[in-house]
Amino acid sequence: KTQVEQSPQSLVVRQGENCVLQCNYSVTPDNHLRWFKQDTGKGLVSLTVLVDQKDKTSNGRYSATLDKDAKHSTLHITATLLDDTATYICVVGDRGSALGRLHFGAGTQLIVIP
Amino acid sequence: DMKVTQMPRYLIKRMGENVLLECGQDMSHETMYWYRQDPGLGLQLIYISYDVDSNSEGDIPKGYRVSRKKREHFSLILDSAKTNQTSVYFCASSLLQGSSYEQYFGPGTRLTVL
Repeated sequence: KTQVEQSPQSLVVRQGENCVLQCNYSVTPDNHLRWFKQDTGKGLVSLTVLVDQKDKTSNGRYSATLDKDAKHSTLHITATLLDDTATYICVVGDRGSALGRLHFGAGTQLIVIP
Repeated sequence: DMKVTQMPRYLIKRMGENVLLECGQDMSHETMYWYRQDPGLGLQLIYISYDVDSNSEGDIPKGYRVSRKKREHFSLILDSAKTNQTSVYFCASSLLQGSSYEQYFGPGTRLTVL
C-alpha cells in the first residue's frame, strides 16, 4: 500500500503564476519530510527538509509546510519560471539516522508554459 | 561540489545477460543506496550499504546483488537480467545533517532489457 500520496499527479501553470503541491502520508514514525525536484532524465535534488511537528521552511521561491498531526505537507512555488518544469517528489523519512527508511511519493509533474 | 556519478547512463541488454551498474561518490559518505524508479511509482529501495562489505537488503532485492569493496564505489549486479528489470536505477549516498540524513542522488542509469 502506498504510504505517500501526492496530488495532483500533474499540473500545468503559466509562467509567473503560483502553484501548490500536496503530500499526504501514513508513514509512522515520521521523523522528517523532504521535497525533491527531479528534472527530466536527471537525479533528485533536495529543495527543503521539514522536521518539526508543525514546520515551515522557505528557500527562495519555494516554501513548504508540514503538519505531522495531519500527516500533510504542501510545497508552494511562487512566480513560476519555465525552469520549474520538473517532477516534484515528497519523501518521508521514518528515522533521523542511516538505519531509517525513506518512503517516496510518485511525484507531481509540473509543467510551466509561457 | 558534492557529487554522485553513475555509469553507464544508458544500457540495453538482452534477457539473460549479466548487467553491471557502477556508482561512485567523492564525499567519503559511509552509506550508499540503490533504488529503481518506475512510471507512476515512488523510488523503491533495492539495497543499502552501510560501509565496505556491509550491505543490507532493501524492499525489492530479488534478482539483484551488490558489491562494495571501496567506500567510494557501490555496484549493482543483475545476474541474468529479466525484462521486468527494465527501469531507471538511481544510486545515492547520505550524510547526517542536523536531525535528518541528506541523500545525494546520481543522475540515474536507464536500463532496457529486451
